[in-house]
Amino acid sequence: GIQVEQSPPDLILQEGANSTLRCNFSDSVNNLQWFHQNPWGQLINLFYIPSGTKQNGRLSATTVATERYSLLYISSSQTTDSGVYFCAVWAGTASKLTFGTGTRLQVTL
Amino acid sequence: EAQVTQNPRYLITVTGKKLTVTCSQNMNHEYMSWYRQDPGLGLRQIYYSMNVEVTDKGDVPEGYKVSRKEKRNFPLILESPSPNQTSLYFCASSLKGWAYEQYFGPGTRLTVT
Repeated sequence: GIQVEQSPPDLILQEGANSTLRCNFSDSVNNLQWFHQNPWGQLINLFYIPSGTKQNGRLSATTVATERYSLLYISSSQTTDSGVYFCAVWAGTASKLTFGTGTRLQVTL
Repeated sequence: EAQVTQNPRYLITVTGKKLTVTCSQNMNHEYMSWYRQDPGLGLRQIYYSMNVEVTDKGDVPEGYKVSRKEKRNFPLILESPSPNQTSLYFCASSLKGWAYEQYFGPGTRLTVT
């Protein structure tokens, strides 16, 4: 099946800093989403982005499908950005989304 | 507001006592699914449904049942819960399947003692 790797696994930032999270996948995908799991466990949709670039406030994402990676940019980070960020993909063959192992982000004051 | 709801959000129960976790979506989505999330194991799909009366097993279906009698509802049934089913459970839906944006419910934290 498709392999999904996220980097870095852990990230500690000071409030106000910028960061880039990466998601690499081993096959062509028909769906790619970014999620934020907050400290209470809720999974929040960030982007549905099988290709191209999208922006939503301080967050933006780019997927380069031909090179099999996606990037999530967080600018001017806030403590509320803390949590785990997952990318999830569907390659068109499996009967499920495949989730990456996540990037754990901690934003400190 | 478009959303997926789950109830209960938190549940502590005892081994063997049947329970149902409800899931409902108001987006007229055809596809719904259940996941469980465990430390070190990530999110694993339990069951999914492509439409009313159409369900299929995911990666970890043992010990669970589902039904899809109405388009909006997809309950997860644990007929005889065991401690290894202690987990964080998520329901998700999308318009037609995995190629479409998946919307997740808020999660149900289940503890079986």
